[in-house]
Amino acid sequence: ETGVTQSPTHLIKTRGQQVTLRCSSQSGHNTVSWYQQALGQGPQFIFQYYREEENGRGNFPPRFSGLQFPNYSSELNVNALELDDSALYLCASTKTGDEEKLFFGSGTQLSVL
Amino acid sequence: GEDVEQSLFLSVREGDSSVINCTYTDSSSTYLYWYKQEPGAGLQLLTYIFSNMDMKQDQRLTVLLNKKDKHLSLRIADTQTGDSAIYFCAETYSESYQKVTFGIGTKLQVIP
Repeated sequence: ETGVTQSPTHLIKTRGQQVTLRCSSQSGHNTVSWYQQALGQGPQFIFQYYREEENGRGNFPPRFSGLQFPNYSSELNVNALELDDSALYLCASTKTGDEEKLFFGSGTQLSVL
Repeated sequence: GEDVEQSLFLSVREGDSSVINCTYTDSSSTYLYWYKQEPGAGLQLLTYIFSNMDMKQDQRLTVLLNKKDKHLSLRIADTQTGDSAIYFCAETYSESYQKVTFGIGTKLQVIP
């Protein structure tokens, strides 16, 4: 049990739609990051948030955006969905002072048809 | 650039030791990790090692780091069927611990 919960567990969308994925971390976990894991691949870093500000981004276009809230929850938003966005989306959080340990949620499986 | 490579598949008999290998390219890595992913699940942090160490042992798990060759290995002693999963090698840097670079994953199959 990592203390990181994600919702929904599964989601089906059609190309061009928008989607919001949610994550809830433990108290004191001030940094949250999001990863995309395509089938048969390792997770790819999308971005990270610290104190509600984005402070690091991987090689993903601007239609991937996020929000972090003071209550240790966060969102990943993806606009104009493409078929290649089909993947498992993982949220990870770290506790201040223990930043080398990432705790992952179980992920949201997104299918874009 | 950052790159982490690992073999795709390993099969061992229950009770034997498993050794999963990984190579990385960036010498500025600060932490190196092993994560476990079971089917339909997220990632479980198994163990990690700081780059100035060469070995870490945690119960059945032993991590060896050869920084000169940029080689990391995970040894699982007395492998059990519950160890069947995909194992990811990963690295990160002190400037951004959350930006973790993962390998493609090694699928470990344990034969009863």
